[in-house]
Amino acid sequence: GDSVTQMEGPVTLSEEAFLTINCTYTATGYPSLFWYVQYPGEGLQLLLKATKADDKGSNKGFEATYRKETTSFHLEKGSVQVSDSAVYFCALYSGGSNYKLTFGKGTLLTVNP
Amino acid sequence: EAGVVQSPRYKIIEKKQPVAFWCNPISGHNTLYWYLQNLGQGPELLIRYENEEAVDDSQLPKDRFSAERLKGVDSTLKIQPAELGDSAVYLCASSVTRGAGAFFGQGTRLTVV
Repeated sequence: GDSVTQMEGPVTLSEEAFLTINCTYTATGYPSLFWYVQYPGEGLQLLLKATKADDKGSNKGFEATYRKETTSFHLEKGSVQVSDSAVYFCALYSGGSNYKLTFGKGTLLTVNP
Repeated sequence: EAGVVQSPRYKIIEKKQPVAFWCNPISGHNTLYWYLQNLGQGPELLIRYENEEAVDDSQLPKDRFSAERLKGVDSTLKIQPAELGDSAVYLCASSVTRGAGAFFGQGTRLTVV
């Protein structure tokens, strides 16, 4: 079945550091890929998405590129802020009529001033 | 545009009692999901609706959980009777197309004591 594997956290960085959170997936067909962010006490918010190979999703300084050859969708940001502290989830929509979002376990990011 | 609305935000009940959660999806979103999120984990699908039809309920524990989506809009998720292990966050989400991703409500945090 479909699955998403994220790097385990927690990840602790200083403000303005470079961020990478690795995400790899297993899926049939050609899934759409997403990153969601969950701030403390809040629901999940869609951060960015990519629907086909080599697409780059971007939002709020975050980027991720859909790499079909390595089945990866790593999240990056060049300079993190304290306000980026949250849990980040990688997710995929599997193909066909199965409109099901499959999530990774999440990576907790803490950014210190 | 209003987002996905869930209520209540928090619920504390004694074990063996019934509980119900309500969700109002984004207007025009035909697909509605209920997800379960345990502490430190990614969301897991309980049930997916296409309009008023439950098209994927394979992960719903049907001995105690039930759901309905009357008229293809609002949805209710019920647990009867609740068990200690049901303590978690219950998330509702809706989507219009696979590529757009799903939009989540703030969730209901259930505590069973």
